[in-house]
Amino acid sequence: DAGVTQSPTHLIKTRGQQVTLRCSPKSGHDTVSWYQQALGQGPQFIFQYYEEEERQRGNFPDRFSGHQFPNYSSELNVNALLLGDSALYLCASSMQETQYFGPGTRLLVL
Amino acid sequence: AQSVSQHNHHVILSEAASLELGCNYSYGGTVNLFWYVQYPGQHLQLLLKYFSGDPLVKGIKGFEAEFIKSKFSFNLRKPSVQWSDTAEYFCAVRGTGGSYIPTFGRGTSLIVHP
Repeated sequence: DAGVTQSPTHLIKTRGQQVTLRCSPKSGHDTVSWYQQALGQGPQFIFQYYEEEERQRGNFPDRFSGHQFPNYSSELNVNALLLGDSALYLCASSMQETQYFGPGTRLLVL
Repeated sequence: AQSVSQHNHHVILSEAASLELGCNYSYGGTVNLFWYVQYPGQHLQLLLKYFSGDPLVKGIKGFEAEFIKSKFSFNLRKPSVQWSDTAEYFCAVRGTGGSYIPTFGRGTSLIVHP
């Protein structure tokens, strides 16, 4: 049983560009959450998707958007990248109460 | 709003030493509590969780945590650490009022010397 997978593993972009990160949830999980983990910090909640809709959102600007597909996989899009967007982006999937995390995508913005 | 404070940002121990990592939370209602571990180069893994019942929770790899409601604390313990316990440890809290979104502490970096 594959766990949560994310792609790509690493990404380098320049300021102003746009990026799309992808996540496939653990088998049987219907809810996907995205987190941003800056260096030396704990994960910060970005938003959560359930039944293809954004169910909850953290304190992140509209530059951060997402999507969930009918197979429960999800994308995180970030527009107009800033240097401060450099971080590890984590995807977590869940069925009910416990979240399982993927390995993350490390984004570097130059 | 909920918040989590992890007091020890960096801990260095020798093998066989005992470990206790502090975690305090702020929330006005019933909570679920978690400890996650992130080994070097690996993803976040759940160590243990508390939802209800016995406040002493046992997790994987010999870790345990005690929920003390009066102190808003959920400290992580292990009686004898190993070199392989070197990792980042994150405490997380989630209110039970319908949101399943946990709030994480900033983490504690544990280094165990062989």
